[in-house]
Formats: sequence, structure tokens, C-alpha cells
Amino acid sequence: AQSVTQLGSHVSVSEGALVLLRCNYSSSVPPYLFWYVQYPNQGLQLLLKYTTGATLVKGINGFEAEFKKSETSFHLTKPSAHMSDAAEYFCAVRPPGGSYIPTFGRGTSLIVHP
Amino acid sequence: NAGVTQTPKFRILKIGQSMTLQCTQDMNHNYMYWYRQDPGMGLKLIYYSVGAGITDKGEVPNGYNVSRSTTEDFPLRLELAAPSQTSVYFCASKSANEQFFGPGTRLTVL
Repeated sequence: AQSVTQLGSHVSVSEGALVLLRCNYSSSVPPYLFWYVQYPNQGLQLLLKYTTGATLVKGINGFEAEFKKSETSFHLTKPSAHMSDAAEYFCAVRPPGGSYIPTFGRGTSLIVHP
Repeated sequence: NAGVTQTPKFRILKIGQSMTLQCTQDMNHNYMYWYRQDPGMGLKLIYYSVGAGITDKGEVPNGYNVSRSTTEDFPLRLELAAPSQTSVYFCASKSANEQFFGPGTRLTVL
């Protein structure tokens, strides 16, 4: 079984400040990990993913995330927030192989203040 | 490519009515999914399909039915609408290690 915990249902930052969205997972095997972004009234779109290889992965719009096995974490960061980053962010996990059924976290709403 | 399309965008149903949410993808993906999204609850998987003619239940299938007669289409059927089915519904398909989501259908049951 696998699960995902996103710490903080809302995160508020000022424009230009560091963005840090936290994701911890539970999985019986080394998982594949994903971050998706959902803008208002839209579907989800993939920001970045970790499957194998380099543990620091870069995504679209300047976001990156680091897979830390020892901490069972996959936190999402961006050095400088922009107003357009305001959205809902979802972390997801799935085991490699088998049916592709990811488990999603509850989401974190990022609020960016001018 | 249009990607994943969903119709309708919005719908209001009365309790006990039925409806079908339509989902079509033009990327020739085998895997397709239906999720519901409720505030603060993330995405819950209703049904999924690994190919035409094959469907399986997800986490919250009660009150819903699906069919998959073609690779492109994956409709979701609500037979007796209940207020608990008020939600936003997303259809998705999968390519390699990425899911592609439709824009959603916002359903209200009164």
C-alpha cells in the first residue's frame, strides 16, 4: 500500500520569495513520484516526476524537487515565486511496475502575495 | 491534438436523475481514468480502464458505471444521482509515466 501526505493545505508566500511545498510518502518499494499543478477551473498538468536516476529533478516553470529516500520526502521548491504560480499543487506516488494507479495527496493551495 | 476532452462542463441534476459524463482522448492511450475531486480531499479514483473492453473499480465506484467500447471513449454513467455525488469529475489518460487530464465537469445534484 502507498500513501501521500502533503503538509499544509495552504501555503502563502510573497512574490519573489522561496516556494517550498512539502510531500512525504509511504511505500513498500521505492516509488515513482510526481508533482502536478492545477490552475483554477482547469485539469491537472504534470510539473515534474522522479522515476529513476538523479534524485534532483527539474520541471516546468522553474520548479524542482528532490527525492530523499531516507526522509521519504519529495518536496517541491522554486527559488522565486511569481504571481502566476498561484494554483493547487498535488503530489502523487505509485510503485514501479504493475497497474498504473497513482495515489494523490490532498493538495496544497499556493497563494502568492504581491 | 485536442488531448482529453470532457462534456458537459457544468450540469445540475435533480436527485434520482441519471446522466452520462463524456470523455474522449485522441492520443491513442490505452489507460483511462475517472476521478472525482472534492475540496480538500484530493483526487479519488472512481474507475479505470487498461484498454478497450476492460474496466475496473477504483477507490469510490459506488453509484457509478463505466464502459470502454473504443480506445478513444470512456463515458461515466450516474444512474440515480444523489447529493453526495456533487463534485468535480476529471477524466484522464496515460502515456508512459504521465497522466493527461481533461478540463473537468462540475456536477451539482440538488
